[in-house]
Amino acid sequence: GAVVSQHPSWVICKSGTSVKIECRSLDFQATTMFWYRQFPKQSLMLMATSNEGSKATYEQGVEKDKFLINHASLTLSTLTVTSAHPEDSSFYICSASPPGDNSPLHFGNGTRLTVT
Amino acid sequence: GQNIDQPTEMTATEGAIVQINCTYQTSGFNGLFWYQQHAGEAPTFLSYNVLDGLEEKGRFSSFLSRSKGYSYLLLKELQMKDSASYLCAVLDSNYQLIWGAGTKLIIKP
Repeated sequence: GAVVSQHPSWVICKSGTSVKIECRSLDFQATTMFWYRQFPKQSLMLMATSNEGSKATYEQGVEKDKFLINHASLTLSTLTVTSAHPEDSSFYICSASPPGDNSPLHFGNGTRLTVT
Repeated sequence: GQNIDQPTEMTATEGAIVQINCTYQTSGFNGLFWYQQHAGEAPTFLSYNVLDGLEEKGRFSSFLSRSKGYSYLLLKELQMKDSASYLCAVLDSNYQLIWGAGTKLIIKP
């Protein structure tokens, strides 16, 4: 089945530093990938849609200069949290779906970010 | 606006059956998904319904009624490992996924 790999699984960083999270589709090409954030006991919140070869589409309220998204190839999207602050601590999850309008989303294992 | 409703929390007994309901009001409909999410982990795909009726997959079944804007996920022969959150999500007319808040299912021995 379709596999999405996300790295790292967890990261601890100091306030003011930047963190890069990678999302790879391992056995299919994904022109679109999605980045979600999930706070404890809350549902998934879509942050942005990553489009291969073009700019990402950000949801309302998500700062594009803070959450940099690069979708450089059909199998890789990266999310960089710049100048991280403790309030950015969260569970970040990427997802992608194989070609086909109704293909289910497959999720990476998520990255737990803790900013100290 | 678009809205998906599902109960916040349910409790059931090991070996029993539980039904988790989901109602939706969205701009268009291109299918409904159920995902399972264990605490601290990413969601995993369970089922997809786009036509009315019941889809059975092992111990899990999912039902859809488009006219009523209603779906349910039925879990049989409950096991302790089924304790998780169950997320209902609808694909709208723009093929955007609209997520419910999830139902936390607690299984008791």
